[in-house]
Amino acid sequence: KAGVTQTPRYLIKTRGQQVTLSCSPISGHRSVSWYQQTPGQGLQFLFEYFSETQRNKGNFPGRFSGRQFSNSRSEMNVSTLELGDSALYLCASSLAQGIKNTEAFFGQGTRLTVV
Amino acid sequence: GIQVEQSPPDLILQEGANSTLRCNFSDSVNNLQWFHQNPWGQLINLFYIPSGTKQNGRLSATTVATERYSLLYISSSQTTDSGVYFCAVTLSGGYNKLIFGAGTRLAVHP
Repeated sequence: KAGVTQTPRYLIKTRGQQVTLSCSPISGHRSVSWYQQTPGQGLQFLFEYFSETQRNKGNFPGRFSGRQFSNSRSEMNVSTLELGDSALYLCASSLAQGIKNTEAFFGQGTRLTVV
Repeated sequence: GIQVEQSPPDLILQEGANSTLRCNFSDSVNNLQWFHQNPWGQLINLFYIPSGTKQNGRLSATTVATERYSLLYISSSQTTDSGVYFCAVTLSGGYNKLIFGAGTRLAVHP
């Protein structure tokens, strides 16, 4: 069974640009969550999507957005990039049976560098 | 909000030694997971353990939900065990939002 796939693995962008990251969950998993990891702040929750709806959101500015498609694949977008957005972005996939939370499995991450 | 605290923050071992990593949480949780982050950044699932004890080879974990802590035991450590270990919890009503501790950085030397 294929795991969680994130693309691209590495990305270098310039301040002010925007970026889109992609995540394909494990087949049959309907929940996709996104996390940002930085040396200073650790691992922080961005948002969760379930059945194409955002059902939970972390404390990040509106420049961070996401969406989920009918096949459960998800994208996150960061607009007007800032140097502080440089981070490892991790996507997690869960079976998510209704409101019951289930085990999360992570992708390999996308390492974003903003210059 | 809930606090998730891991100890120790850093740990250095000789190959073959045993260790215990601790995760304390300040409120009731629905679920708890332990992860190992490899050098490439991927979080590898170790245990999904809201309560009780589980074992997987040289690793085992115990969560005592009523006392709000979990322990990860590593026996006969190997250099490949090096990396950062995270515990993460989910809350009732929080869906699948994971709240992470700061991690324990483990270095195993030959």
